[in-house]
Amino acid sequence: EAGVAQSPRYKIIEKRQSVAFWCNPISGHATLYWYQQILGQGPKLLIQFQNNGVVDDSQLPKDRFSAERLKGVDSTLKIQPAKLEDSAVYLCASSFDRQGVSNEQFFGPGTRLTVL
Amino acid sequence: AQSVAQPEDQVNVAEGNPLTVKCTYSVSGNPYLFWYVQYPNRGLQFLLKYITGDNLVKGSYGFEAEFNKSQTSFHLKKPSALVSDSALYFCAVRDITGGFKTIFGAGTRLFVKA
Repeated sequence: EAGVAQSPRYKIIEKRQSVAFWCNPISGHATLYWYQQILGQGPKLLIQFQNNGVVDDSQLPKDRFSAERLKGVDSTLKIQPAKLEDSAVYLCASSFDRQGVSNEQFFGPGTRLTVL
Repeated sequence: AQSVAQPEDQVNVAEGNPLTVKCTYSVSGNPYLFWYVQYPNRGLQFLLKYITGDNLVKGSYGFEAEFNKSQTSFHLKKPSALVSDSALYFCAVRDITGGFKTIFGAGTRLFVKA
């Protein structure tokens, strides 16, 4: 079974520029997550989708971050404009949650963003 | 508000000795608890989970964890450590009454010495 795919793997931009990340979850997984992992910290949930609806985006800085999951499959996360403190690894994960929420998450390799 | 604490930044253990990586949590309702591992240059991988039932759960690579409701803990254990177990370990809690958001701890680096 193919895993969670993310691209690009690395991105370097200057502050105030925009950037977009793409994620393709495991086929059949209803729930998709975007996390931000700053060096030395645990992953922080930015947004969680159930199919193409948003379940939780309470920690998403909505003035600069946006995410969408069209057709309940692929997802994109965008930052516009980027700040220095956005330098982090952005992780995408998916899980097979349907009625329940007890299933583990499968993570992609992440995108390492450096903002100069 | 829910939270997860991993009190040790690093745990050092000799190969062959038992290991414990500690995790405590705080949620308003009944938690779902998870352990994930992050090997160098690799993504996060699921190790084990507690949902309900037996307080001792077994997972991948010989790891197990014990759920203790009174102490709100979910410590990760392994009877005999391997050098290849050296990695970054994350505890995570999912609050089923709080929108199902998953909160991760800050991580504990396990170093197993040969």
